[in-house]
Amino acid sequence: GQQLNQSPQSMFIQEGEDVSMNCTSSSIFNTWLWYKQDPGEGPVLLIALYKAGELTSNGRLTAQFGITRKDSFLNISASIPSDVGIYFCAGPLTGFQKLVFGTGTRLLVSP
Amino acid sequence: DADVTQTPRNRITKTGKRIMLECSQTKGHDRMYWYRQDPGLGLRLIYYSFDVKDINKGEISDGYSVSRQAQAKFSLSLESAIPNQTALYFCATSERLKGSRSFYEQYFGPGTRLTVT
Repeated sequence: GQQLNQSPQSMFIQEGEDVSMNCTSSSIFNTWLWYKQDPGEGPVLLIALYKAGELTSNGRLTAQFGITRKDSFLNISASIPSDVGIYFCAGPLTGFQKLVFGTGTRLLVSP
Repeated sequence: DADVTQTPRNRITKTGKRIMLECSQTKGHDRMYWYRQDPGLGLRLIYYSFDVKDINKGEISDGYSVSRQAQAKFSLSLESAIPNQTALYFCATSERLKGSRSFYEQYFGPGTRLTVT
């Protein structure tokens, strides 16, 4: 079935560093979403993107909707320990009101 | 109180046993979903329901069944559990996302960790 591939699979960084991760698909998406899963919790929506090329920020997080509509990027600036978790991209399947999720990027932040 | 609750939070069961995972929501959403999460595979859709009378299979429905008892309740059953069903299971609900006419943000419960031995 449809799958979104995320890279890197995991990252271990120092507090204060910037982080970049991406999500790619073989199909075009009209909406891109980024979710974060804190340890022991369910995913929570961080950012939604609706147009190719769109750049949207939520605090220290910035996400971009790729021009080809087959990819999206998430950047976290000045990371802090509470950024620890798994970050998922997601997109709605064309014609269906359900989501396909990426494979996830696990972020670990060292104080 | 949490808007989407799941019970149990953790469960260990034996191969061949029947098990039910329950989900309740107080958000008043019509749409509910069951996902499983496996390391490196992300979240995969098992079943989804757009209202009490509308239930649909997701990408990995084999070995699972669901029941939508009411708008607020959506249960997932494993009729005969097997070890490769060991995973983290999430229930989610959805409403319309602001700014989008065709997409619905999903709200997730805290998850049920299921181990089949």
